[in-house]
Amino acid sequence: DAGVTQSPTHLIKTRGQQVTLRCSPISGHKSVSWYQQVLGQGPQFIFQYYEKEERGRGNFPDRFSARQFPNYSSELNVNALLLGDSALYLCASSAVQSTYEQYFGPGTRLTVT
Amino acid sequence: GQQLNQSPQSMFIQEGEDVSMNCTSSSIFNTWLWYKQDPGEGPVLLIALYKAGELTSNGRLTAQFGITRKDSFLNISASIPSDVGIYFCAGQQIIQGAQKLVFGQGTRLTINP
Repeated sequence: DAGVTQSPTHLIKTRGQQVTLRCSPISGHKSVSWYQQVLGQGPQFIFQYYEKEERGRGNFPDRFSARQFPNYSSELNVNALLLGDSALYLCASSAVQSTYEQYFGPGTRLTVT
Repeated sequence: GQQLNQSPQSMFIQEGEDVSMNCTSSSIFNTWLWYKQDPGEGPVLLIALYKAGELTSNGRLTAQFGITRKDSFLNISASIPSDVGIYFCAGQQIIQGAQKLVFGQGTRLTINP
């Protein structure tokens, strides 16, 4: 079975632009979480979606938003990009909402110039 | 954002040596997790601990969940070249039904052949 997939792999944007990142969970998984990993740091929790609803949100500004589709894939949107948004964005899927067994995708490397 | 205190930040060892790293927090977690991240990849779950005092092994890896639920350690015995990478500890919090993982800053392991 395919693991968690993310697209695109790399992305370069300019300050002030908007970006959309995509994630497809493992088949049968209904929960998707998003994490931001700045170089040299551990991942930071952004959102969790389960059954197409937002179930949890980390300490990120409203410029960050996400949604989950009926097929459980998810998009992360970031508006008004700042240089500090440059990071690896990781998507993780799990079968149910409250389980530690999260499986991470390879991430999308976003560079803001 | 909230992070766990992980040490050491980096380790340079000879192949065959044993490795020990630990993680501490001011908060209590119900589950402790250890991940390994290779370049260009997302974190991969190595060991999960969900009971205070629990000692769990996975091959050459051994991890323990501290009695106070505020710390954990990971040991790697007889290191081999493929152990190179960044190791992260993570604590699981369940807030209003949503699962959130809080990560440490990582321990970068380098092995000299």
